[in-house]
Amino acid sequence: KNEVEQSPQNLTAQEGEFITINCSYSVGISALHWLQQHPGGGIVSLFMLSSGKKKHGRLIATINIQEKHSSLHITASHPRDSAVYICAVGYGNKLVFGAGTILRVKS
Amino acid sequence: KAGVTQTPRYLIKTRGQQVTLSCSPISGHRSVSWYQQTPGQGLQFLFEYFSETQRNKGNFPGRFSGRQFSNSRSEMNVSTLELGDSALYLCASSLRLAGGNTGELFFGEGSRLTVL
Repeated sequence: KNEVEQSPQNLTAQEGEFITINCSYSVGISALHWLQQHPGGGIVSLFMLSSGKKKHGRLIATINIQEKHSSLHITASHPRDSAVYICAVGYGNKLVFGAGTILRVKS
Repeated sequence: KAGVTQTPRYLIKTRGQQVTLSCSPISGHRSVSWYQQTPGQGLQFLFEYFSETQRNKGNFPGRFSGRQFSNSRSEMNVSTLELGDSALYLCASSLRLAGGNTGELFFGEGSRLTVL
């Protein structure tokens, strides 16, 4: 069983909708990363967090250490947000990745 | 500030050959980590180097190896290639945080390896 569970696996939304992607992990971690991957392979780090909440523009990431759960929210979604979103948990300097969430935002 | 550079971007090899991939980190980043991405297994951690020393290794056979040079540039090598080694190989550089944890990751574009 994957130590990192992401949901949903696939998500289709209409432009402007509020989107939530969830990530659960099984044991204590040093940090959690949210990554974005566009077709063609390039990966961009969106957030790295170990507690609380972070916000960059329309993106918000939260983490609940006690519940071992993190969420990535996208407000006012746009077709350019279409990508694969990947949660990765850090155990020191080793990362374990979720399977990813394929997001498609339709205009 | 230049990003993470990986070379080559694409390569084709045949079974039994060996391959070497290169990664140049962002200036000032001394931590370099490598990842394999396949459609079936997703992203998997290969290994991490800091100050020319391998600090952690994922669950891969000994055919996968790497090294880091004094300028923080890193190479990974796969010997005796198998069909299943076909994948996108990504490297990322980061600063090392207090306690030895990995900081924010900056990824290269990847090297796409096809094994025939």
